[in-house]
Amino acid sequence: DQQVKQNSPSLSVQEGRISILNCDYTNSMFDYFLWYKKYPAEGPTFLISISSIKDKNEDGRFTVFLNKSAKHLSLHIVPSQPGDSAVYFCAAFSYSGAGSYQLTFGKGTKLSVIP
Amino acid sequence: SQTIHQWPATLVQPVGSPLSLECTVEGTSNPNLYWYRQAAGRGLQLLFYSVGIGQISSEVPQNLSASRPQDRQFILSSKKLLLSDSGFYLCAWSADSSYEQYFGPGTRLTVT
Repeated sequence: DQQVKQNSPSLSVQEGRISILNCDYTNSMFDYFLWYKKYPAEGPTFLISISSIKDKNEDGRFTVFLNKSAKHLSLHIVPSQPGDSAVYFCAAFSYSGAGSYQLTFGKGTKLSVIP
Repeated sequence: SQTIHQWPATLVQPVGSPLSLECTVEGTSNPNLYWYRQAAGRGLQLLFYSVGIGQISSEVPQNLSASRPQDRQFILSSKKLLLSDSGFYLCAWSADSSYEQYFGPGTRLTVT
């Protein structure tokens, strides 16, 4: 059962426009969410995160929105640049006590920004 | 600053051969360490994590094992590789009190 879902495997956006990447989750125990960006043959790099007590976090061109009631978060990139072309992973953190915790990743969305 | 190294970058191994992938972290002490695998068309799957030397937790039963012989060294091993072990293996670290995990460059493993 996939607890973190990125239903769009790919997204194409014109340079300068807004990119919106979506993520849905099913586990109500998730209390922290992260977005990672990954280029081919490289490890993911941390992009931005949000705690479950917030509904928005902004860092430069990147903004993450969290709707807890809908179990939905989104990453907005504006304006989009060709260098943003990569695979974006949504991840959710859960802690179950006694040192047991993990980061659960979605399958990723490949963003292509067209010049 | 902290850096994380993985080697080798690419590896082609026959079915039934052993495996050893190494990961080291610099610039921090007592990190939490993780092994992930990304198979084709799939997300990142957590395989093992470690909160200290000799402490390994397995998330997915399989023919792989992990060891942490030193504070900043994490090793992924197999005695006999299967075709299904092919994938992109990523090591990551996090500070003990932090949610963010930082990934190494990865190892592309092809089992033939």
